[in-house]
Amino acid sequence: DVQMTQSPSSLSASVGDRVTITCRASQSISTYLNWYQQKPGKAPKLLIYAASSLQTGVPSRFSGSGSGTDFTLTITTLQPEDFASYYCQQGYSTPYTFGQGTKLEIK
Amino acid sequence: QLQLQESGPGLVKPSETLSLTCTVAGDSISDSNYNWGWLRQTPGKGLEWIGDIYYSGSTYYNPSLKSRVTISVDTSKNRFSLRLSSVTAADTAVYYCARRVDFWSFYYDYWGRGTLVTVSS
Repeated sequence: DVQMTQSPSSLSASVGDRVTITCRASQSISTYLNWYQQKPGKAPKLLIYAASSLQTGVPSRFSGSGSGTDFTLTITTLQPEDFASYYCQQGYSTPYTFGQGTKLEIK
Repeated sequence: QLQLQESGPGLVKPSETLSLTCTVAGDSISDSNYNWGWLRQTPGKGLEWIGDIYYSGSTYYNPSLKSRVTISVDTSKNRFSLRLSSVTAADTAVYYCARRVDFWSFYYDYWGRGTLVTVSS
C-alpha cells in the first residue's frame, strides 16, 4: 500500500495568513494526488484533484502543487470558513489511501 | 445537483453483518463515466477506502477488508449497497458513500453525509 504522510498534523494561523500543508507519498504517485477539506460533522469536500487542478466552485485561494512523492496544498489569504481539517489522498493505486489529516485552527 | 444518501442500522452486534445502502439522486448510477464507492472514517485510523463498484457490477475492494466485504449495485433503484460481515468494535465508524471520478486521477467528488455505525452488543 502507498503510505501518505501529512505535515504538520495541526497548524494555527490567523485570518489573512498564507498557509502550506505538505503531503508525502511512500512511493512515486506521479500527480495522482487529491486534497479534501472536512469540517466537523460533515463529509470531506474535494478541493484539488490531480495535484493541481481546482475542483469547480472551489475558491482560487486554494492551490496545489507537486509530483512524484512530494505535494503541497497552499491557501492564500485565509478566510474564517477555511478553518477545518485537510486530507490528501492518493489515486494512483488501490487501495486508495489518505493522509492522517492536518487540522487548521484559528490563532 | 447530485445527492447521495446512506441508510441502514446505526447499531450492529459483534459477529453480525453490517448492511448499508446508498441512494443516488440527480444522476444515473449507470453513467459510464463513474464508479461508486464506500469509505469510512474513525478517529483512530482516519479515512479508509473500503471499495468501489461500477454499474456493470465490477468491484474493487481494499485487500484489508476483502474477505468480509461485498458491494452490490441495483441500477433499477439507482442505488448501491455495502455488506461487511463478522464485524467487531474496530468496524465502528462513520460510513460514507461517494462518487468516484477517473480523470487525471482517481478521486471522490460527491459524498453522502455519512452515517455512524456502532458495533456493540
